[in-house]
Amino acid sequence: KQEVTQIPAALSVPEGENLVLNCSFTDSAIYNLQWFRQDPGKGLTSLLLIQSSQREQTSGRLNASLDKSSGRSTLYIAASQPGDSATYLCAVSDNNNDMRFGAGTRLTVKP
Amino acid sequence: EAGVAQSPRYKIIEKRQSVAFWCNPISGHATLYWYQQILGQGPKLLIQFQNNGVVDDSQLPKDRFSAERLKGVDSTLKIQPAKLEDSAVYLCASSTDSYEQYFGPGTRLTVT
Repeated sequence: KQEVTQIPAALSVPEGENLVLNCSFTDSAIYNLQWFRQDPGKGLTSLLLIQSSQREQTSGRLNASLDKSSGRSTLYIAASQPGDSATYLCAVSDNNNDMRFGAGTRLTVKP
Repeated sequence: EAGVAQSPRYKIIEKRQSVAFWCNPISGHATLYWYQQILGQGPKLLIQFQNNGVVDDSQLPKDRFSAERLKGVDSTLKIQPAKLEDSAVYLCASSTDSYEQYFGPGTRLTVT
């Protein structure tokens, strides 16, 4: 059974700092990995999707990497802003599109 | 392109009462998912539909939860009777063959 772990559970940084969020998964037989953002009381917004054959994806200040063999992914946020404050969720899907989520990292970026 | 729509956004009920949630996926998305997200946890899949057929309902508490997608478009999720531990956000998502899931805003359920 796939288990997804996210570390740290919470992170507080000053504005402008670069930061890394970590995600690990137990079963390397994944189809893809997705990073989501969730604002309080809101649904999930997809940030980046990495197919199992890919190593990384970039969108603006965000870069996600995938090391399938070691069961790890990182989300790098450059030059953080207060608007980046949210919970970031990592999710992995298998070939049947069974998606398993981590518990998330709650990020606070202080002005 | 309109996103995934859900209603209601909030619902408060007493335990042992019934409740129903509605979801309208993105047009053309054949696959629809219902997730339960308890506070402080990641979403957990309850049921997955492909068109109007069930693909996976292994984590759906079938003694009290039911879901349907009669015409392969809209879906409803029902809880009857509700328990205190059902308090959560219920998220609906849809996808095409690309497997990238798009989520609705969710319904926050409070059972008192």
